[in-house]
Amino acid sequence: QVQLQESGPGLVKPSETLSLTCTVSGGSISGYYWSWIRQPPGKGLEWIAYIYYSGNTNYNPSLKSRVTISIDMSKNQLSLTLSSVTAADTAVYYCARHTPHPLAAGYYYYMDVWGKGTTVTVSS
Amino acid sequence: DIVMTQSPLSLPVTPGEPASMSCRSGQSLVHSNGHNYLNWFLQKPGQSPQLLIYLGSNRASGVPDRFSGSGSGTDFTLKISRVEAEDVGVYYCMQALQSPRTFGQGTKLEIK
Repeated sequence: QVQLQESGPGLVKPSETLSLTCTVSGGSISGYYWSWIRQPPGKGLEWIAYIYYSGNTNYNPSLKSRVTISIDMSKNQLSLTLSSVTAADTAVYYCARHTPHPLAAGYYYYMDVWGKGTTVTVSS
Repeated sequence: DIVMTQSPLSLPVTPGEPASMSCRSGQSLVHSNGHNYLNWFLQKPGQSPQLLIYLGSNRASGVPDRFSGSGSGTDFTLKISRVEAEDVGVYYCMQALQSPRTFGQGTKLEIK
């Protein structure tokens, strides 16, 4: 079955740019939406952004000025960059797939496949 | 942003007993198509979240039928008919009606 694996540097210095990759195995990126979600230590979940396989994106306004997400179909990967990081960006970062559920008109997309997450610490 | 509020924040339950938790949204989650755009997730200790319920009441694939979701508009409930030890963790509701997607703060279910 499809599996997601996040990867990236575990430690990033303040003011630098964080870059993460999510590798999709056992399935295709095509036909799905894909999200990035993060969870600060001991806290709840925060949705960051999603991207459709065609490249359409939607960002959380609270992070929009610093976030870019993209897809590389040839590598079956999606990526996240977050600029000007601070300690507040310390979190576990997850990628997730949105599976389409058919409705009478259109589809509803739900996040049913998640990666195990990758921990990012922002510290000098 | 749509604010999601869950209660209680902590829920101690005896195995075999039922459990119920609430999620309230700051505005109606009913889409123009009549569906409630509300999901429930469970995050077990040390794991990533897993989908339990979507569209307010649809169980995700592989989810035991002891889990059920109900509600409409702004008030939603997740019920577990008979709690098992493997159900411990933090339960999150999430609205999918508007961007940005927003989660509740979570209800932590623990075994008595």
